[in-house]
Amino acid sequence: SQTIHQWPATLVQPVGSPLSLECTVEGTSNPNLYWYRQAAGRGLQLLFYSVGIGQISSEVPQNLSASRPQDRQFILSSKKLLLSDSGFYLCAWSVIYGERYQWDTEAFFGQGTRLTVV
Amino acid sequence: GQQLNQSPQSMFIQEGEDVSMNCTSSSIFNTWLWYKQDPGEGPVLLIALYKAGELTSNGRLTAQFGITRKDSFLNISASIPSDVGIYFCAGQLGGSGGSNYKLTFGKGTLLTVNP
Repeated sequence: SQTIHQWPATLVQPVGSPLSLECTVEGTSNPNLYWYRQAAGRGLQLLFYSVGIGQISSEVPQNLSASRPQDRQFILSSKKLLLSDSGFYLCAWSVIYGERYQWDTEAFFGQGTRLTVV
Repeated sequence: GQQLNQSPQSMFIQEGEDVSMNCTSSSIFNTWLWYKQDPGEGPVLLIALYKAGELTSNGRLTAQFGITRKDSFLNISASIPSDVGIYFCAGQLGGSGGSNYKLTFGKGTLLTVNP
């Protein structure tokens, strides 16, 4: 079965420090991968998505970057954290079951990383 | 861009009552997903809908994919205290093209169940 691992679960970092959050997926090949941020317990904002190795699409301009060095690995990074980067970061994956004009998908989330920038 | 309007924003109900929440979109989606999120956890997929008009059940949960492809609702029957959490709808356009893989989320419905 497929599983998704995201770490660390919580992180407290000072302003200006670098960031690296990692997400790995097991049990599937060529998944679509996503990074979301959730502020104040509500609303999921899509930050980045990737449809393949080295392919990253950014949804919003921000202080963060993403990379996909391997098929099932997705990394969220920052060179210098800002206070506004605090939030709950969620990694997700999905696969597409393509059938002509109907593309079925299901997306599954990791447990999340609570980032506090101080 | 695509936006999802999810309502209500919050609900306070008594145990045993039925719950209904819905999402509407300004544009069509070809997949609708409903998630539940517990505090400090990632969202968990409850129901996936793939065809317009489709009605799908998962235990006490029932969800429907609107005929117009622009809306979906989720019903919870006979609520229990563990139903407490935030419920999110999500839509995906699907089809070829990387941007079509994105999930667009509603802002969530916070459900509180009083025992």
